[in-house]
Amino acid sequence: DQQVKQNSPSLSVQEGRISILNCDYTNSMFDYFLWYKKYPAEGPTFLISISSIKDKNEDGRFTVFLNKSAKHLSLHIVPSQPGDSAVYFCAASGWGDDKIIFGKGTRLHILP
Amino acid sequence: GAGVSQTPSNKVTEKGKYVELRCDPISGHTALYWYRQSLGQGPEFLIYFQGTGAADDSGLPNDRFFAVRPEGSVSTLKIQRTERGDSAVYLCASSLQGSFSHEQYFGPGTRLTVT
Repeated sequence: DQQVKQNSPSLSVQEGRISILNCDYTNSMFDYFLWYKKYPAEGPTFLISISSIKDKNEDGRFTVFLNKSAKHLSLHIVPSQPGDSAVYFCAASGWGDDKIIFGKGTRLHILP
Repeated sequence: GAGVSQTPSNKVTEKGKYVELRCDPISGHTALYWYRQSLGQGPEFLIYFQGTGAADDSGLPNDRFFAVRPEGSVSTLKIQRTERGDSAVYLCASSLQGSFSHEQYFGPGTRLTVT
């Protein structure tokens, strides 16, 4: 049973437009959420995170929104750039738990 | 500085054989994690070390899988009597003790193929 769900396996976005990647979770004990980015033949790299006490966290072109009542989070990338083409993993962790639970990932294609 | 390194990068073995996968974490990182990523899936947690001890091994699929970290730095994931279903990319990650951000730094992985 998947605790972190990314229902879109892939997404194509025009360069310069906004990319929105979505993630849903089922475990109400999760209190920390992360996004990782992965290029082929490399390990995932940390992108941005958000604690459950917040509903928004911004870092440059990347913003993560958290809706606890809906158990939903999203990653916004604006403007999208060619180097953003990668697989994006949503992940979650519980309070005091160092284990991270990952979703299956969404492959983002930025079109020229 | 040096990141997390994993060796070998690729390993092909026959069904039933024993394999060892090595992970060198970032210097000073006391926490070390092993994950397995199968095709089309996200990384799946296997085991977490804090120092030399396994703090959480709840993700190990069965007793064919074992991991050690004898000196609190390098870790080895050991798989006995390999099966074709063990084929996957095995990822290692490390993090600072008590890192509130939970940020983990991943290595490039070892691609294991069991024929």
